[in-house]
Amino acid sequence: EAGVAQSPRYKIIEKRQSVAFWCNPISGHATLYWYQQILGQGPKLLIQFQNNGVVDDSQLPKDRFSAERLKGVDSTLKIQPAKLEDSAVYLCASSWASERYEQYFGPGTRLTVT
Amino acid sequence: AQSVAQPEDQVNVAEGNPLTVKCTYSVSGNPYLFWYVQYPNRGLQFLLKYITGDNLVKGSYGFEAEFNKSQTSFHLKKPSALVSDSALYFCAVGGDSNYQLIWGAGTKLIIKP
Repeated sequence: EAGVAQSPRYKIIEKRQSVAFWCNPISGHATLYWYQQILGQGPKLLIQFQNNGVVDDSQLPKDRFSAERLKGVDSTLKIQPAKLEDSAVYLCASSWASERYEQYFGPGTRLTVT
Repeated sequence: AQSVAQPEDQVNVAEGNPLTVKCTYSVSGNPYLFWYVQYPNRGLQFLLKYITGDNLVKGSYGFEAEFNKSQTSFHLKKPSALVSDSALYFCAVGGDSNYQLIWGAGTKLIIKP
């Protein structure tokens, strides 16, 4: 079984630039999550999708972050414009709809904003 | 509100010795508790979970965790540590809604040969 795929693995941008991250979940997983993990901290949920609908985006900074999962499969997270404090690892995870606590994570994208 | 605490930033154990990584939680109802492990440059991996049933839960790679309701703890344990167990360990608790996981800050486990 293929795992959760993410790209790119690393990205360095200057502040005020834009960046996009891509995630392809495990086949059949209806639920998809984007997390932000700052060094030394646990993951922070940014947005949760159930199929192509948003379940929870209460911690997503909507003035600069956006995410979509148009066909209920892969997803894109965008930051525009980036700030220095956005430097973090962005993790994508997916789960079965019936087992949403048991999440499978991708390798993450390490973003550095200079 | 749900919360979880991992009181130790780092735990050092000699190879072959037993290990314990501590986790305490605060929930308003029945707890849903989880342990995940993060190896360098890799994503988080699910280790084990407690939903209901036996207080001792067995998981991947020989790890187990003990649920203690009176102490509101869910400590991760392994009888004999391996150098390859060195990683970052996260405890998480199921949130109030939307199956959200509330994460601890993580504990770095270092196993010395």
